[in-house]
Amino acid sequence: GQNIDQPTEMTATEGAIVQINCTYQTSGFNGLFWYQQHAGEAPTFLSYNVLDGLEEKGRFSSFLSRSKGYSYLLLKELQMKDSASYLCAVRDSNYQLIWGAGTKLIIKP
Amino acid sequence: IAGITQAPTSQILAAGRRMTLRCTQDMRHNAMYWYRQDLGLGLRLIHYSNTAGTTGKGEVPDGYSVSRANTDDFPLTLASAVPSQTSVYFCASSDRTSGSNEQFFGPGTRLTVL
Repeated sequence: GQNIDQPTEMTATEGAIVQINCTYQTSGFNGLFWYQQHAGEAPTFLSYNVLDGLEEKGRFSSFLSRSKGYSYLLLKELQMKDSASYLCAVRDSNYQLIWGAGTKLIIKP
Repeated sequence: IAGITQAPTSQILAAGRRMTLRCTQDMRHNAMYWYRQDLGLGLRLIHYSNTAGTTGKGEVPDGYSVSRANTDDFPLTLASAVPSQTSVYFCASSDRTSGSNEQFFGPGTRLTVL
């Protein structure tokens, strides 16, 4: 079966750095996505990785290792507005997205 | 309209009733999707359309139907609602010709079936 695993909840301090991990087992791989979802709102696109390595976009970076079926999202200089759920999704061989259940990130002052 | 819109925002529905959730996008995206999101679970694909005139079944299609008569609109119909269809429904669209083909989401419809 297809499976995306990520921690249910994480807590971090304002101004710090946090790494959210995602491991996957899917039928085929055509890219990995990270989305941010604030409570009661729609998911919004953060990053896309299709090749191994690190993609940096401002305070957010995303890493991919296809051989290990592993990705992480790194958030630096945390701000209170970063409190949200972070969703990992993999595009499979049918070109459809398989989604993890999301990681709820709580930022404390 | 800017982006993707959904209607209604929320709805309480009696079991057995028919309901259509509306979705419209103005980005001229070729692909559109319907997901449901339930607590503790990832987004699950109900139906999708890769281009106007075509539709396909996702992971959880039973009890739902869709149509794609034009590029902009992708309505989702529950023929006879059941309580297990209580969920938040998100419509999304994407440009399959773009490199990443990331999906853009509407604001969602919160549906309660009693």
